[in-house]
Amino acid sequence: DAGVTQSPTHLIKTRGQHVTLRCSPISGHKSVSWYQQVLGQGPQFIFQYYEKEERGRGNFPDRFSARQFPNYSSELNVNALLLGDSALYLCASSLAGREFNEQFFGPGTRLTVL
Amino acid sequence: GQQLNQSPQSMFIQEGEDVSMNCTSSSIFNTWLWYKQDPGEGPVLLIALYKAGELTSNGRLTAQFGITRKDSFLNISASIPSDVGIYFCAGRVNTGNQFYFGTGTSLTVIP
Repeated sequence: DAGVTQSPTHLIKTRGQHVTLRCSPISGHKSVSWYQQVLGQGPQFIFQYYEKEERGRGNFPDRFSARQFPNYSSELNVNALLLGDSALYLCASSLAGREFNEQFFGPGTRLTVL
Repeated sequence: GQQLNQSPQSMFIQEGEDVSMNCTSSSIFNTWLWYKQDPGEGPVLLIALYKAGELTSNGRLTAQFGITRKDSFLNISASIPSDVGIYFCAGRVNTGNQFYFGTGTSLTVIP
């Protein structure tokens, strides 16, 4: 079975630009969460979507937005990029109910902002 | 936000030795997860814990949900070179859908 997939693998942008990152969850998983992982730190929660609705939001500015599509894939958008947005962006998927707690991560998208 | 402190920050051990690491929080959690992350990859789920006092094993790995619900422990027995990586704990409070991750424990196994 395919795991969580993310695209692109790597991305280089300049300050002020906009970026869109994509995630496809494990087949059958309806919940997708996004995390930002800065080098040397643990992942930090950005958003959680379940059944196409936002169910949780971390402490990130409004420049960060996301959505989930009918096929449960998801996009993370970041506007007006700052140097500090450089990080590994991780997507995690999970089932509903108790299994929701078990999140499975994709390989991530490495974003570099110059 | 919630603070999850992991200790030790890093470990250097001989192959075959046992490893213990822990994670403490300032809040009560209702779920604890343990992950391993290799360089350039996403975290891989190792063990999930749902009840205070719960002890769960996955091969050579054993994790426990602390009685106070503010801590969790991970043990690795008879370490091997492929155990090298960064181990993260993650917890969720009773309300909300957010998981908080620890600061990580970097494990190096010397053959």
